[in-house]
Amino acid sequence: DTEVTQTPKHLVMGMTNKKSLKCEQHMGHRAMYWYKQKAKKPPELMFVYSYEKLSINESVPSRFSPECPNSSLLNLHLHALQPEDSALYLCASSQERGLQGLFNYGYTFGSGTRLTVV
Amino acid sequence: GEDVEQSLFLSVREGDSSVINCTYTDSSSTYLYWYKQEPGAGLQLLTYIFSNMDMKQDQRLTVLLNKKDKHLSLRIADTQTGDSAIYFCAEKRSGSARQLTFGSGTQLTVLP
Repeated sequence: DTEVTQTPKHLVMGMTNKKSLKCEQHMGHRAMYWYKQKAKKPPELMFVYSYEKLSINESVPSRFSPECPNSSLLNLHLHALQPEDSALYLCASSQERGLQGLFNYGYTFGSGTRLTVV
Repeated sequence: GEDVEQSLFLSVREGDSSVINCTYTDSSSTYLYWYKQEPGAGLQLLTYIFSNMDMKQDQRLTVLLNKKDKHLSLRIADTQTGDSAIYFCAEKRSGSARQLTFGSGTQLTVLP
């Protein structure tokens, strides 16, 4: 299995709703990431988990709450979002193992969840 | 951030070669990557190059790296309509264990 699977593929939610995005990989990668991507723009890093621990939070508003229940799963809990949060949310994973790292083949991205906040 | 620069658009005729260019800022970057994104899809890793290499070839793809000028290019030979997509270059900086810095992306359009 060489894929990162994201569900759902599309999500429409109101500003008062609570929803969750899910990401799963079975490649044994120990680093997992959430990115936000607006149309025609590069992905912007939100969170990094390494060995199931949050290692980077790029000053993301608290209405986005990540969770890593185990080494294969990554969730992003959403609450009280704003219309400007509408975007493609991408999950990725990698084999990185530290600052020097082993040879790095890059990140494997999922196909994303298209989120619309109304 | 967008410290990594790319031209926004490129159009080529089917069968011609495409060359997508990228200028990065950190001379200590260890790995450089090319990703392809088709409409509505995630990013697909096309190829990567380690900073001690000048060139890497993989079937129709050729990556050239000029460390002195901090310039990276991706050449696609015999470009096909299926190659139409946005291409992002990305760098992994030596002091950044887990972050990629992406370029702004180049929209490649292949004309019949």
